[in-house]
Amino acid sequence: DGGITQSPKYLFRKEGQNVTLSCEQNLNHDAMYWYRQDPGQGLRLIYYSQIVNDFQKGDIAEGYSVSREKKESFPLTVTSAQKNPTAFYLCASIDGGALEAGELFFGEGSRLTVL
Amino acid sequence: AQSVTQPDIHITVSEGASLELRCNYSYGATPYLFWYVQSPGQGLQLLLKYFSGDTLVQGIKGFEAEFKRSQSSFNLRKPSVHWSDAAEYFCAVGGHTGTASKLTFGTGTRLQVTL
Repeated sequence: DGGITQSPKYLFRKEGQNVTLSCEQNLNHDAMYWYRQDPGQGLRLIYYSQIVNDFQKGDIAEGYSVSREKKESFPLTVTSAQKNPTAFYLCASIDGGALEAGELFFGEGSRLTVL
Repeated sequence: AQSVTQPDIHITVSEGASLELRCNYSYGATPYLFWYVQSPGQGLQLLLKYFSGDTLVQGIKGFEAEFKRSQSSFNLRKPSVHWSDAAEYFCAVGGHTGTASKLTFGTGTRLQVTL
């Protein structure tokens, strides 16, 4: 079955460490997104990528980095510069990036806790 | 700037009772509107969407929503709630640029279902 796989599901990090969250999709979607979810807040867009080797900052990109070397993969690195990294991170994808043409599919998320 | 307000943080209903979750949006033109559902520790799943046409839209799992331009609302309804509907529900608004990068999510309404 097609879908989005995020790993790890749970991750603990010490302050000052970088961590990378994996997002892989086999839906053949062009566009991929990273969101951050905090309790009592909606989803906030961190980074997105419409095509391979191209990505754009979202609303809260500071302290994060991404790469898009392959169509199916869009890893997110949470750097030590991110002041409050404890959160639930969601990866999503859509065919072509157009809301009219498709549906935004989400992975099951990765919960990052900084100790 | 576009925005979404979900006035109810938490709602409790009895199984078999009807449900209405409120969503108010702010957008300068005709919006694209969405409802997503999130089970604990999971990603989001699209329930339904409105782009144009009939203002009453049907979705999955027996949900429907009505777009009311005069009230800037897109409330989600279900005639008879099942215990499995317990989850968090997010309303989202997007513009006619059509890309998912322009989606704005509400803060969510957590639904509890009592037996």
